[in-house]
Amino acid sequence: EAGVTQFPSHSVIEKGQTVTLRCDPISGHDNLYWYRRVMGKEIKFLLHFVKESKQDESGMPNNRFLAERTGGTYSTLKVQPAELEDSGVYFCASSPGSLHRGVRNEQYFGPGTRLTVT
Amino acid sequence: AQSVTQLDSQVPVFEEAPVELRCNYSSSVSVYLFWYVQYPNQGLQLLLKYLSGSTLVKGINGFEAEFNKSQTSFHLRKPSVHISDTAEYFCAVTLGGRDDKIIFGKGTRLHILP
Repeated sequence: EAGVTQFPSHSVIEKGQTVTLRCDPISGHDNLYWYRRVMGKEIKFLLHFVKESKQDESGMPNNRFLAERTGGTYSTLKVQPAELEDSGVYFCASSPGSLHRGVRNEQYFGPGTRLTVT
Repeated sequence: AQSVTQLDSQVPVFEEAPVELRCNYSSSVSVYLFWYVQYPNQGLQLLLKYLSGSTLVKGINGFEAEFNKSQTSFHLRKPSVHISDTAEYFCAVTLGGRDDKIIFGKGTRLHILP
């Protein structure tokens, strides 16, 4: 079974440009999450999809970030226009839809996309 | 609001020596506790989790952690480390249920010395 995949693995863009990150969750997983780690800081939650709907987008930093999950399969995260402070590693995770002892099943993480804005 | 503190950003330890990575959390409600590991060039992997029950939790690769409610700690331990344990370790919490976003600590890099 394939794990969570992310594309690209690295992206270097100039300030003001647009970048789109893609995440393919594990097949059949309803839940999809985006997280970000800025250099030297903790990994922070960005948003959570349940199928194609945004369940929680409280972590999205501002309106330059747009996440979509059309059809409830893969997801994209677009940054437009990119700023220097957007540099970091963007992680995607997915999990099945059910709960186990009150906790949603384990979130499986992808390898991340390293974004550098110059 | 919940928060997680990992007191050590880096921990060097000799191969075959024991190690403890410290983690403290802050929350006004009950949380579920996790340790994740990120090996070089790989994604995050769940090492172990505490949901309820026994406060001593065993995980993969010989790691274990102990939940201490009075000290709000969830320290990770291994009695004898190997070079393959070189990685970054993240302590994390979640409220569970519908609000299950993971709140991470800043991470601790474990350096295994030969």
